[in-house]
Amino acid sequence: AQKITQTQPGMFVQEKEAVTLDCTYDTSDQSYGLFWYKQPSSGEMIFLIYQGSYDEQNATEGRYSLNFQKARKSANLVISASQLGDSAMYFCAIESWGKLQFGAGTQVVVTP
Amino acid sequence: GAGVSQSPSNKVTEKGKDVELRCDPISGHTALYWYRQSLGQGLEFLIYFQGNSAPDKSGLPSDRFSAERTGGSVSTLTIQRTQQEDSAVYLCASSLWAVGEGNQPQHFGDGTRLSIL
Repeated sequence: AQKITQTQPGMFVQEKEAVTLDCTYDTSDQSYGLFWYKQPSSGEMIFLIYQGSYDEQNATEGRYSLNFQKARKSANLVISASQLGDSAMYFCAIESWGKLQFGAGTQVVVTP
Repeated sequence: GAGVSQSPSNKVTEKGKDVELRCDPISGHTALYWYRQSLGQGLEFLIYFQGNSAPDKSGLPSDRFSAERTGGSVSTLTIQRTQQEDSAVYLCASSLWAVGEGNQPQHFGDGTRLSIL
């Protein structure tokens, strides 16, 4: 069985600052993928970034980067230079054999 | 558009009725997934289809739930004899991903908000 834990239910961050969203996981699979999705209040799920369990380098995608520490089973998302449009719910998910298992999410509010 | 399309966007029905939710995946995507998002349970996997293989139904909560994918494209999720606890947003996603071919992101539709009275 797999488990994803996001310990921060909500965060406030000031515009232009960086924010780190925590994600830890538990899996017995040797090969897996880790994903981060953003869900604004409008409801759509937007893919942000992906990290494969065998990838040696941390994934980056524009202002998003993933701090992957395999031994600690953590995959924290870093958003640099926060913008007002970053206000949303952020979900960490682990994928194995097709299925995504999501964490409970972290609500991020960016303030001017 | 080029994204995952779901219909209807909203559905209100009475307890005990059957409902059908439709998903039209991104053209060329071999894998199609259904998830459910509710306040109490968060995001839950329901079922996924991959190419012509038998679907993985391990997330379906009861035998009132079923899904099919015709012609490897459009999928329909059917809930029979709906109950109030079935109220949720039902999300469909598709991807190029297939087992053994590496992970690809799942792209989600806007969902169907189902309300059972």
